[in-house]
Amino acid sequence: GNSVTQMEGPVTLSEEAFLTINCTYTATGYPSLFWYVQYPGEGLQLLLKATKADDKGSNKGFEATYRKETTSFHLEKGSVQVSDSAVYFCALSKLGLIQGAQKLVFGQGTRLTINP
Amino acid sequence: SQTIHQWPATLVQPVGSPLSLECTVEGTSNPNLYWYRQAAGRGLQLLFYSVGIGQISSEVPQNLSASRPQDRQFILSSKKLLLSDSGFYLCAWSALRTGARAFFGQGTRLTVV
Repeated sequence: GNSVTQMEGPVTLSEEAFLTINCTYTATGYPSLFWYVQYPGEGLQLLLKATKADDKGSNKGFEATYRKETTSFHLEKGSVQVSDSAVYFCALSKLGLIQGAQKLVFGQGTRLTINP
Repeated sequence: SQTIHQWPATLVQPVGSPLSLECTVEGTSNPNLYWYRQAAGRGLQLLFYSVGIGQISSEVPQNLSASRPQDRQFILSSKKLLLSDSGFYLCAWSALRTGARAFFGQGTRLTVV
């Protein structure tokens, strides 16, 4: 079935460090891939997405490239800030069993803490 | 603009009691609707998703059920709650197209005692 595996957390970095959060997926065909973020005390929101192979999603300095050959969608940021502290979720969407329905599956989440 | 409402925000229920959590979406039609449970260290587990009225797909066997009586209403229910049903429940919607982003409700913290 469709699944997403994320790098285990928690991850703690110093401000201005380089960030990578690994994400790999299992799915048939060509799912759409997403990164969602949950800031402390807030709801889940979309960070970036890519809908086909070799696409790069980017937002707020974060980037992730859809790699079909390695079934990966790693999240990167060149210089993190304290305000990036949050839980990050990798996700994929794929047509489900019910015609037309999109099945949206999440990884387990990675808690990121940035220290000043 | 589209909005999603989920209630209640918190709920404490005794073991064996029934459950009904409601989610409604405004400002869109024919949405995909989802119920997730978020457990610490386990991420978001997809419980149910629905493409239309009366069309529900269950992802995991469990003590819960879902219904969609109206296009923009999604209800999570249980006849008899178990202690293991405690958790944080999230409702979400997305448009009916490939690659559409999901929008989440604020969640319900359910504690079964």
